[in-house]
Amino acid sequence: EPEVTQTPSHQVTQMGQEVILRCVPISNHLYFYWYRQILGQKVEFLVSFYNNEISEKSEIFDDQFSVERPDGSNFTLKIRSTKLEDSAMYFCASSVRAAGEQYFGPGTRLTVT
Amino acid sequence: EDKVVQSPLSLVVHEGDTVTLNCSYEVTNFRSLLWYKQEKKAPTFLFMLTSSGIEKKSGRLSSILDKKELFSILNITATQTGDSAVYLCAPGDPNFNKFYFGSGTKLNVKP
Repeated sequence: EPEVTQTPSHQVTQMGQEVILRCVPISNHLYFYWYRQILGQKVEFLVSFYNNEISEKSEIFDDQFSVERPDGSNFTLKIRSTKLEDSAMYFCASSVRAAGEQYFGPGTRLTVT
Repeated sequence: EDKVVQSPLSLVVHEGDTVTLNCSYEVTNFRSLLWYKQEKKAPTFLFMLTSSGIEKKSGRLSSILDKKELFSILNITATQTGDSAVYLCAPGDPNFNKFYFGSGTKLNVKP
């Protein structure tokens, strides 16, 4: 069964460093999402992406964040200069249609020290 | 402000019990509401609800949506220890392709 994959599973970085989180959505899906979940808190929407552009972004998704679909399969989230408060689990999700059922990847745990 | 409120926040039951989890929301112009089960890691998709009053069923789980009153419920019958998880609901705003997740209901099913 097709699934969303994410790499790495765990990333440790120092404050101020850039990180790139990678996702491979399900192949026939057209809508892509990034969410984050700080330990013990709720899943928070970061950004949605369709047709090679951002559809919507939350207040969390400031200038330090960017997304890209560099080729036909990968979908990346870049954080330019990480802060301690960026430590969280980052989930990628994809769906066939807008506001449709989304399938989540296993997540990348980002730890900023 | 909180657009999605789930209740109860947590629940402890014994195997075989039936539980009802509630989700109320303030996203008035949405197209769909999603339910997820989250165990240790990523949320696992359970249901997508788009129409009021039509029950969706999968095994011991079922869910229904009331678009007029802006709530949804998730029922689990004959609970098992494997049902222990956090259950999340997420109504979606089609205008902005965005979903709002609730804080979840933590269900603990004891043997």
